Amino acid sequence: QSALTQPASVSGSPGQSITISCTGTSSDVGGYNYVSWYQQHPGKAPKLMIYDVSNRPAGVSNRFSGSKSGNTASLTISGLQAEDEADYYCSSYISSSTLVVFGGGTKLTVL
Amino acid sequence: EVQLVESGGGLVQPGGSLRLSCAASGFTFSSYWMHWVRQAPGKGLVWVSRINSDGSSTNYADSVKGRFTISRDNAKNTLYLQMNSLRAEDTAVYYCARVEMATITHDYWGQGTLVTVSS
Repeated sequence: QSALTQPASVSGSPGQSITISCTGTSSDVGGYNYVSWYQQHPGKAPKLMIYDVSNRPAGVSNRFSGSKSGNTASLTISGLQAEDEADYYCSSYISSSTLVVFGGGTKLTVL
Repeated sequence: EVQLVESGGGLVQPGGSLRLSCAASGFTFSSYWMHWVRQAPGKGLVWVSRINSDGSSTNYADSVKGRFTISRDNAKNTLYLQMNSLRAEDTAVYYCARVEMATITHDYWGQGTLVTVSS
């Protein structure tokens, strides 16, 4: 199956808000409320930031929020901080034997 | 504290084999599905393989099917990935990840182990 579609890069200034999109199909993003978002700093392991479209794990800042409309999920980061600069990946449950598909990743630059 | 620690990566020639391990601690390992996810240099995350909690069910990405074997030893709290017939395109950092079964959420990840396939 194809990877979910994310923009290659987004940028914003400190204090601003940005949104990263993640577009799939009715077999994945659009069909289930099982979208997750991961943050990955260079040379580090991914970290879960959002699960089940809009839920935050304990310890994740409330500046991070998730939503979904149709086949597109979104991650919004408000009050951008320098430490938010990282790669962000979405993933979704998919109705196939693999059960999961990732997005291609988005590089967030804090200007 | 949940911890996942991978080991076993390294440099191997094309056609060679490696076995990766992932030592788990801080949770009831035998209750969770586990995944291997890989990331080629400068590329995105790609799911590789899954195993259910008791090891009776496994799945693989088409790109590794027939060459890789996932297994687990719940008595040792350890996940494995046996990789045979390695190709240059298998070069990547390999992560093990704990899976929340209901939603296929990867809630904890190891630090990764680098596999380089080159002559």
